[in-house]
Amino acid sequence: NAGVTQTPKFRVLKTGQSMTLLCAQDMNHEYMYWYRQDPGMGLRLIHYSVGEGTTAKGEVPDGYNVSRLKKQNFLLGLESAAPSQTSVYFCASLSRGYTGELFFGEGSRLTVL
Amino acid sequence: SQKIEQNSEALNIQEGKTATLTCNYTNYSPAYLQWYRQDPGRGPVFLLLIRENEKEKRKERLKVTFDTTLKQSLFHITASQPADSATYLCALRLMNYGGATNKLIFGTGTLLAVQP
Repeated sequence: NAGVTQTPKFRVLKTGQSMTLLCAQDMNHEYMYWYRQDPGMGLRLIHYSVGEGTTAKGEVPDGYNVSRLKKQNFLLGLESAAPSQTSVYFCASLSRGYTGELFFGEGSRLTVL
Repeated sequence: SQKIEQNSEALNIQEGKTATLTCNYTNYSPAYLQWYRQDPGRGPVFLLLIRENEKEKRKERLKVTFDTTLKQSLFHITASQPADSATYLCALRLMNYGGATNKLIFGTGTLLAVQP
């Protein structure tokens, strides 16, 4: 059981370039989330999905887009990367059960020059 | 405004002592509160959950209290070990009113360093 897998783990972009982060979970979870983590700011929710084909905005959605075409995958896209998007990105998933435990991936470190 | 506050300063304690970490929140009515552990370069890992109607929850050397009047949770690690050194995050799950958001709001975390 791999849990939550994020790819790539590291990436360096130039300002204006685009890229997609992929999150895959093998636990058949309904809910999936993308967070970013910055020093002193904690984990902030970017976008989330409550099921296949649905997405919604979190606290800091600007500059990002997401898609959930398959239940097991949640993609985070940056159309035109900016230095302010330099961060560590975490994907997480949650079953519909009441305990609400989030399962996180190992993170993707993105640097925008 | 809504805030979750954890002590931003690192907590340094001696091995064998009890570590106590604090999580305070304002203007939230959480359904429950969770604690996670995060090691450097890794994703957070779930430790404990406590519901709004529970005062205390224990798991091995871990104990969590939840005071909804004070809007505070305390996280205790008894008989601490150097292997307990990590950043500990608290997170609030807000009540869901008819939707299905199940959003978790995280604090900034407290770094615990247990000295041998």
